[in-house]
Amino acid sequence: NAGVTQTPKFQVLKTGQSMTLQCAQDMNHEYMSWYRQDPGMGLRLIHYSVGAGITDQGEVPNGYNVSRSTTEDFPLRLLSAAPSQTSVYFCASSYTGIDTQYFGPGTRLTVL
Amino acid sequence: KQEVTQIPAALSVPEGENLVLNCSFTDSAIYNLQWFRQDPGKGLTSLLLIQSSQREQTSGRLNASLDKSSGRSTLYIAASQPGDSATYLCAVMEYGNKLVFGAGTILRVKS
Repeated sequence: NAGVTQTPKFQVLKTGQSMTLQCAQDMNHEYMSWYRQDPGMGLRLIHYSVGAGITDQGEVPNGYNVSRSTTEDFPLRLLSAAPSQTSVYFCASSYTGIDTQYFGPGTRLTVL
Repeated sequence: KQEVTQIPAALSVPEGENLVLNCSFTDSAIYNLQWFRQDPGKGLTSLLLIQSSQREQTSGRLNASLDKSSGRSTLYIAASQPGDSATYLCAVMEYGNKLVFGAGTILRVKS
């Protein structure tokens, strides 16, 4: 059981580039979510999904897209990276969304 | 808008001391409250989850309480050890499956 996995671990982008952060879980969890963590601000919810084919916005969704075609995968897309998106990104999953959340190890993204 | 505040922001204690971390939230309409631990450069690990109908949860040397009406939770760590050094995060689960985090308390336990 690998739990929640994220790739890549580190990424450097130039302003305007696009990329996809990958997240996968092997626990058959219905609920998956993406957070960003910035110094002094805690974690903030970007997007979440309550099941395959269903996604919704969190607190800071602008500049990010998501889709959920399978139960296992929940990729996060940056369409046109900006320096303000420099952050550490965490993916999380749980069975129902209101139970224990399991977090991935994070992706550290720098946008120059 | 829900706001979660953690006090203190940082804490340094000698090994063996009992300590209390505080968390407060502004909106009592929550499903549950969770305490997480985060080690430097790592992801979050869930420590305790308290349902909104519960008053406390215990796991080993950890005890978390919840007073939903006053919007407060405490995490009690007994007989602290250097291995407890980490950032502790409090988060409330709102209706709509949204987890709102505090900024965390950085704990250092000195040997």
